[in-house]
Amino acid sequence: ETGVTQTPRHLVMGMTNKKSLKCEQHLGHNAMYWYKQSAKKPLELMFVYSLEERVENNSVPSRFSPECPNSSHLFLHLHTLQPEDSALYLCASSQVTGGYNEQFFGPGTRLTVL
Amino acid sequence: DQQVKQNSPSLSVQEGRISILNCDYTNSMFDYFLWYKKYPAEGPTFLISISSIKDKNEDGRFTVFLNKSAKHLSLHIVPSQPGDSAVYFCAASAMRIQGAQKLVFGQGTRLTINP
Repeated sequence: ETGVTQTPRHLVMGMTNKKSLKCEQHLGHNAMYWYKQSAKKPLELMFVYSLEERVENNSVPSRFSPECPNSSHLFLHLHTLQPEDSALYLCASSQVTGGYNEQFFGPGTRLTVL
Repeated sequence: DQQVKQNSPSLSVQEGRISILNCDYTNSMFDYFLWYKKYPAEGPTFLISISSIKDKNEDGRFTVFLNKSAKHLSLHIVPSQPGDSAVYFCAASAMRIQGAQKLVFGQGTRLTINP
């Protein structure tokens, strides 16, 4: 595997279900991100992890719970979601440096909440 | 309050011609700008970036121009090729948090290159 991978690619869940999205990066990066892209809206940053520490929670409801067990893996745990949470969820990674570096994105998980 | 705006949802260009994609921003604290390209069913792919100390950055067929006084940047693709057909996102960064960046994205412009 190369780059940033995400599983599953598609997920349909009911409002009472609990599910998890998984992201893995094979780039040796040490910062990871979750983004949400709803229909006709820009990508919205949800969470940022730097060196396995959560450094940003962008006013995301508690029904979304991130986990970063190591610098290569990132999870997004979902519970009691609402239909308006249906969206494309993208994971990204970057290298922590003193300067600026681009973020590399995975293919995303298309989530549908019924 | 949208800090990064791409006002053209779509653009159609003839193959071989120049494609110009535009992006405006409101936050004068942004100091790093990026362009990403996205194909259907794939994640965004980094294309080119520019820091606020420059006004131009070139990489092959792609050139990004930054006009800080107008808070405007543009992406030029010359010559345009059918494989350039995709959605293009402009993104900007104002801060780093422990080495990680907060990117703010525009809504995207769908570019179609016609043969």
